[in-house]
Amino acid sequence: EIVLTQSPATLSLSPGERATLSCRASQSVSSYLGWYQQRPGQAPRLLIYGASNRATGTPARFSGSGSGTDFTLTISSLEPEDFAVYYCQQRANWPITFGQGTRLEIK
Amino acid sequence: EVQLLESGGGLVQPGGSLRLSCAASGFTFSNYPMNWVRRAPGKGLEWVSTVSDSGTDSYYADSVKGRFTISRDNPKNTLYLQMSSLRAEDTALYYCAKSLCTSFRCYFDYWGQGTLATVSS
Repeated sequence: EIVLTQSPATLSLSPGERATLSCRASQSVSSYLGWYQQRPGQAPRLLIYGASNRATGTPARFSGSGSGTDFTLTISSLEPEDFAVYYCQQRANWPITFGQGTRLEIK
Repeated sequence: EVQLLESGGGLVQPGGSLRLSCAASGFTFSNYPMNWVRRAPGKGLEWVSTVSDSGTDSYYADSVKGRFTISRDNPKNTLYLQMSSLRAEDTALYYCAKSLCTSFRCYFDYWGQGTLATVSS
């Protein structure tokens, strides 16, 4: 099973700042990595697939990068609605696995 | 508009069974693999199971293999999850999710609001 480790566990920033979230895989997942956002009381939402491709409706301030074992989700300038939990997910191998999540909170 | 509506959750005793359903609309259901993902209280997301578009192939997390069965009824646009031999650790909000399949494999692009399964005596 591929283990995904996200860091930091919690990130405290202010609106307008830049956020950088990391996801590290226990073995290479090539570019088969997605990012999801989950706001309180809502279902998860796909933001990025294939490591760097924005899903339909994902704002341009969200960008994904990386390949192999190290990946980054960057939010260029935080909006109030961006404060949520973010998960990475690998699709390289079965079973599908998620990281444990990064909570992005308002400072 | 894509809609996924889960139902069938509830309170069940350890060792019991539940059958979750997910009614889909707004897309050609039979063209897409479908999935169940859960979130236990205070925990993160955990993939549970995936079924192919035709229903002939299915995949399971090790934590549920042999106890849960995923299936679909394409004419009825409905996805199911039969859960048996339930344990306290199966307590979670269960989401139904549609697949987006690309050259970078498949991801979950639409999600329902979830149905809560609670396993407790």
